[in-house]
Amino acid sequence: EPEVTQTPSHQVTQMGQEVILRCVPISNHLYFYWYRQILGQKVEFLVSFYNNEISEKSEIFDDQFSVERPDGSNFTLKIRSTKLEDSAMYFCASSDSGKGNEKLFFGSGTQLSVL
Amino acid sequence: GESVGLHLPTLSVQEGDNSIINCAYSNSASDYFIWYKQESGKGPQFIIDIRSNMDKRQGQRVTVLLNKTVKHLSLQIAATQPGDSAVYFCAENRGNAGNMLTFGGGTRLMVKP
Repeated sequence: EPEVTQTPSHQVTQMGQEVILRCVPISNHLYFYWYRQILGQKVEFLVSFYNNEISEKSEIFDDQFSVERPDGSNFTLKIRSTKLEDSAMYFCASSDSGKGNEKLFFGSGTQLSVL
Repeated sequence: GESVGLHLPTLSVQEGDNSIINCAYSNSASDYFIWYKQESGKGPQFIIDIRSNMDKRQGQRVTVLLNKTVKHLSLQIAATQPGDSAVYFCAENRGNAGNMLTFGGGTRLMVKP
């Protein structure tokens, strides 16, 4: 079964450093998402992306965050200057439609630890 | 180490029994609901979904019930197995264009052999 893959599985960084989290969505999907989950808390929406544009973003997704689809297969989340509170599991997801009633397929996540 | 944050409600069932996990949602405009299963260290895994024009949907060993009057969603797992042990989240799509899901707080299901 096709799946969303994410790398790295774990990332440790110093506060203030830039990190890039990488994702390869399911190949025929057109809609891409980033969610995050702080330890013990709910999964929270960050951003949705379609046709090389951000479709929607949450309040969490401030100027320190950016997303990019640099080529035909990868989808990245960049955090420009990490803060301690950015420590979380970051999940990439994709769907083949953005109609609002299509299921999202999630990757296994990147655990980001900011020291 | 001890985790901080939300304390997840826990449902403990005997292997072979049926499990019912409940979820309340808040937005009357939500028109699509999904149940996800999350095992330790993994991403949410799709289990079953339901649209707001339905009140029941069945899958393999799982059934989702939707009560729009009281804004309540439930997941029923028949003949629960040890492999069903996980955290279960309901998620709602609030009818927005970006397909953004809002997740509930989760319920931990523990299956005793």
